[in-house]
Amino acid sequence: AQSVAQPEDQVNVAEGNPLTVKCTYSVSGNPYLFWYVQYPNRGLQFLLKYITGDNLVKGSYGFEAEFNKSQTSFHLKKPSALVSDSALYFCAVRALTGGGNKLTFGTGTQLKVEL
Amino acid sequence: DAGVIQSPRHEVTEMGQEVTLRCKPISGHNSLFWYRQTMMRGLELLIYFNNNVPIDDSGMPEDRFSAKMPNASFSTLKIQPSEPRDSAVYFCASSRTPGLPGDEQFFGPGTRLTVL
Repeated sequence: AQSVAQPEDQVNVAEGNPLTVKCTYSVSGNPYLFWYVQYPNRGLQFLLKYITGDNLVKGSYGFEAEFNKSQTSFHLKKPSALVSDSALYFCAVRALTGGGNKLTFGTGTQLKVEL
Repeated sequence: DAGVIQSPRHEVTEMGQEVTLRCKPISGHNSLFWYRQTMMRGLELLIYFNNNVPIDDSGMPEDRFSAKMPNASFSTLKIQPSEPRDSAVYFCASSRTPGLPGDEQFFGPGTRLTVL
């Protein structure tokens, strides 16, 4: 079985400050990890992914995420937050099961960036 | 590319009525996913197809729900009869290559269903 935990329902940060949205995972075998963002009344948008290789992954809109195998974590980060980054963020993990390609999503973290 | 297209964007219906949600995946994508999002349960995978074949429907809540993919460019999710607890936002997503773990999914804008 595969699972994802996002321990914070909401993260508040001031504009210009660094932000971190936390994610831990559980999966058999190698993990394939993803971050998605959802703006109000919109579908989820892909931000970045980790498949293999460099533990620091860079994605859209200045976001990056660090894969840490020993801590089974994949935290999303941005050096300087913008008000426009305020949205709902989802972490997701995938493991191949019998040829399938099922993604398991976390419960989401609401990011609020304030002036 | 227009992205994943869903219709209708909003649907309001009465309990007991049949509801059909529609999805057109991105051209060239061979996997299609149906999700449901609610405040209480978050984002749930209902069913997914690879190359038009249903692979895993274990997330379909009950027999009132059914999904079809008659061809590579069209899928439907049907609820019959609908109940108030089915009220949610239903998303369709597609990805390019079945079985390729690094493939990201592209989501449609969703259909907001309200069952009165």
